[in-house]
Amino acid sequence: QVQLQESGPGLVKSSQTLSLTCKVSGDSISRGGWYWSWIRQHPGKGLEWIASIYNSAKTYYSPSLKSRVSISLDTSRNQFSLKLSSVTAADTAAYYCARTYGDFVFGYFDFWGQGTPVTVSS
Amino acid sequence: QSVLTQPPSVSGAPGQRVTISCTGTNSNLGAGYDVEWYRQLPGTAPKLLIFGNTKRPSGVPDRISGSKSGTSASLAITGLQAEDEADYYCQSYDRSLSGYVFGTGTTVTVL
Repeated sequence: QVQLQESGPGLVKSSQTLSLTCKVSGDSISRGGWYWSWIRQHPGKGLEWIASIYNSAKTYYSPSLKSRVSISLDTSRNQFSLKLSSVTAADTAAYYCARTYGDFVFGYFDFWGQGTPVTVSS
Repeated sequence: QSVLTQPPSVSGAPGQRVTISCTGTNSNLGAGYDVEWYRQLPGTAPKLLIFGNTKRPSGVPDRISGSKSGTSASLAITGLQAEDEADYYCQSYDRSLSGYVFGTGTTVTVL
């Protein structure tokens, strides 16, 4: 069974860079075949896709966040990471990592982490 | 940004059938991209319910079904149970945004 676990600071100061890591077990992120993604959910709101990565060679970003986001793989540790720069209160949300199965344009999120809450303080 | 529109809420009595609509555009559902559905219980991560418009992952009961036609899709739950109380989201790919989009979300209430 594939399991994902997010980790990172629960509190980040405004204008700083948020860094999150997703540890994967039960699957190898270097094996290929699917993407690895980050999704967030603002308090009491819906889901928002942030970014996806495949084998470090293919990365996709939400147009609304592209200028501030970076996603990367660490195959030696079987984990992937998200960096979001210049954060503001609008970035306060629960952040989820997920495996994205299938070809990118027909992809779906079949395994999710439990989510990690992030608050941006002034 | 949510470019897939869902009703904010639907409700039904135990045992009844409810449907949740998901309306998109010619950049996503109308362009032939699949719709996927997720269920989210309070305080937990979303769980995949339907993929590829109509397919159920292992463990999802057959009283849950999905359909898609043109720019719209639907999720149907028959034999409504208390455990079905949750938020439901549709998801697809949008070629104008070159990324994934989610629906606005629907809260299902079991009366």
